[in-house]
Amino acid sequence: DGGITQSPKYLFRKEGQNVTLSCEQNLNHDAMYWYRQDPGQGLRLIYYSQIVNDFQKGDIAEGYSVSREKKESFPLTVTSAQKNPTAFYLCASSPGQTTDTQYFGPGTRLTVL
Amino acid sequence: AQSVTQPDIHITVSEGASLELRCNYSYGATPYLFWYVQSPGQGLQLLLKYFSGDTLVQGIKGFEAEFKRSQSSFNLRKPSVPWSDAAEYFCAVGAPKGYLNTGFQKLVFGTGTRLLVSP
Repeated sequence: DGGITQSPKYLFRKEGQNVTLSCEQNLNHDAMYWYRQDPGQGLRLIYYSQIVNDFQKGDIAEGYSVSREKKESFPLTVTSAQKNPTAFYLCASSPGQTTDTQYFGPGTRLTVL
Repeated sequence: AQSVTQPDIHITVSEGASLELRCNYSYGATPYLFWYVQSPGQGLQLLLKYFSGDTLVQGIKGFEAEFKRSQSSFNLRKPSVPWSDAAEYFCAVGAPKGYLNTGFQKLVFGTGTRLLVSP
């Protein structure tokens, strides 16, 4: 079955540690995205990538980093510089054309202890 | 830049009653519009989308939405709501030419409406 997988589902981090969230898709989509979701704030775009080896900052990129070395993978690193990292993180992908729909993974809940 | 307002944070309906969730957008031209649903602790699932053409759009699970340009609205409706529809619903807007006219689609999401279904 084609789809988007995110791992782990739950992640706990101590203050000062970097953590990496995995996102993999087998839909052959060009574009991939990372969103952060906080209660009452909807989804906010962290980073996006239109094509392999290229990515752009979204609206709230500070304290995060990404890479796009393979078409199917778009990992997100939450660094110690992110002041309030506890949130639900969603990865999405789309074929990459203007009219395309974004499809979402199941999400990773990150909690800082 | 586009924006979306979902004015209702929570809505409670009785099981079997009809539903309408409100979505208002701001954009200078005809936008692309989406409704997604999210169950607790899960990702978002697309319910329906509007790009052009017929302003009444049919989606999955019996949902429909109507694009009204004069009211800048894209309200989601369902004639009879089962208990299993309890979830959070998000409206999103995209720009036809993409983000900064690059062709790349950036979606702006509303803050969501939580639907509670009472027995």
